[in-house]
Amino acid sequence: EVQLVESGGGLVQPGGSLRLSCTASGFTVSTNYMNWVRQAPGKGLEWVSVIYSGGSIYYADSVKGRFTISRDNSKNTLYLQMNSLRAEDTAVYYCATPSGSIAARWTAFDSWGQGTLVTVSS
Amino acid sequence: DIQMTQSPSSLSASVGDRVTITCRASQSISSYLNWYQQKPGKAPKLLIYAASSLQSGVPSRFSGSGSGTDFTLTISSLQPEDFATYYCQQSYSNQYTFGQGTKLEIK
Repeated sequence: EVQLVESGGGLVQPGGSLRLSCTASGFTVSTNYMNWVRQAPGKGLEWVSVIYSGGSIYYADSVKGRFTISRDNSKNTLYLQMNSLRAEDTAVYYCATPSGSIAARWTAFDSWGQGTLVTVSS
Repeated sequence: DIQMTQSPSSLSASVGDRVTITCRASQSISSYLNWYQQKPGKAPKLLIYAASSLQSGVPSRFSGSGSGTDFTLTISSLQPEDFATYYCQQSYSNQYTFGQGTKLEIK
């Protein structure tokens, strides 16, 4: 069974940094398209970043230059390093992935973690 | 980047109703369109991928259609557990944008 567990959220001051982790079980992070998606309180879903199995990386314009996605294959874990945090980065952050072959063909996120809350406030 | 626009933003309906939610892309995305359902405090759940393919385990009252720029999600007969927020998402480009969501409420 595929399972994703996020951690690392918390309260941080504007301009600060935080690193989120997403530990996977039941599949291999390095062979899947691993994504971060966030949801501000009371708002909709916003895709944040993807790292492909081959290592290519893409970001939403809203986080480009401030956030860095990475993975540790030995720990089967995905990370999101968040720097220069702003109040508008306050959100629940989910990791998500197409864990099945058909889902991967269409990049449909069939597996999600439970989310971790990041609050940026002074 | 590709913008996704859903309509309506909210919708009131009754159990047993047929409802349709629309999603429009700012450019052609072929059939790279997915639909998700989200309930309060929960992670989203994949319903439809590739515009019209039903995800395993999803009831057949859910269906999707469309290609290019215009897509629809239809629920043929609303059940109490269907009251939730629905999102479309394009997976055509490398920035996988979501629509703003449609909140389906009980009338």
